[in-house]
Amino acid sequence: KAGVTQTPRYLIKTRGQQVTLSCSPISGHRSVSWYQQTPGQGLQFLFEYFSETQRNKGNFPGRFSGRQFSNSRSEMNVSTLELGDSALYLCASRLLGTDQETQYFGPGTRLLVL
Amino acid sequence: AQSVTQLDSHVSVSEGTPVLLRCNYSSSYSPSLFWYVQHPNKGLQLLLKYTSAATLVKGINGFEAEFKKSETSFHLTKPSAHMSDAAEYFCVVRGGADGLTFGKGTHLIIQP
Repeated sequence: KAGVTQTPRYLIKTRGQQVTLSCSPISGHRSVSWYQQTPGQGLQFLFEYFSETQRNKGNFPGRFSGRQFSNSRSEMNVSTLELGDSALYLCASRLLGTDQETQYFGPGTRLLVL
Repeated sequence: AQSVTQLDSHVSVSEGTPVLLRCNYSSSYSPSLFWYVQHPNKGLQLLLKYTSAATLVKGINGFEAEFKKSETSFHLTKPSAHMSDAAEYFCVVRGGADGLTFGKGTHLIIQP
């Protein structure tokens, strides 16, 4: 099976712009989670989607939003970009969304905000 | 609420010697615990996971970890380090309906 894929891999934006990142989960996986990784804050949970519904959300401002489509693909949007949004954004998928399941991570999208 | 503390930000060992990466956790629930590895410019790869079955968990590439509830620890070990083990290692906890909570990471350096 193909792994989790994320597009684009690299992105450069300027402050105030918005950005949309895409994640395709492993075939058959219905849960998709998003994480932000920065040198200062480490890896932080953004949100999780299951069957097109947001299940839970981390402690991020409303500028960060997401959605999931009927084929389980997910997009994450960040509006009004700030310099501090520069990070590696990781997407992870799992089969049914139960606690004990392994999450499989994609390679990430590296976002640079200038 | 849940949290993870990785006790060492950097660990340096010689090739062929044992590796010990330390992790303590806190969780209001019976947790699931994971160790992930991240090589430079790569995504996260699962090494092993604990989900309330055996307390000694064996993972890939010769790594293993022991869940000790009394000490709230989940330390990662490997008997003999290899140069390819150089990477960032994350201890991760999941409890309840929250997303994964990651430790700050331990950077493992392998000396030739």
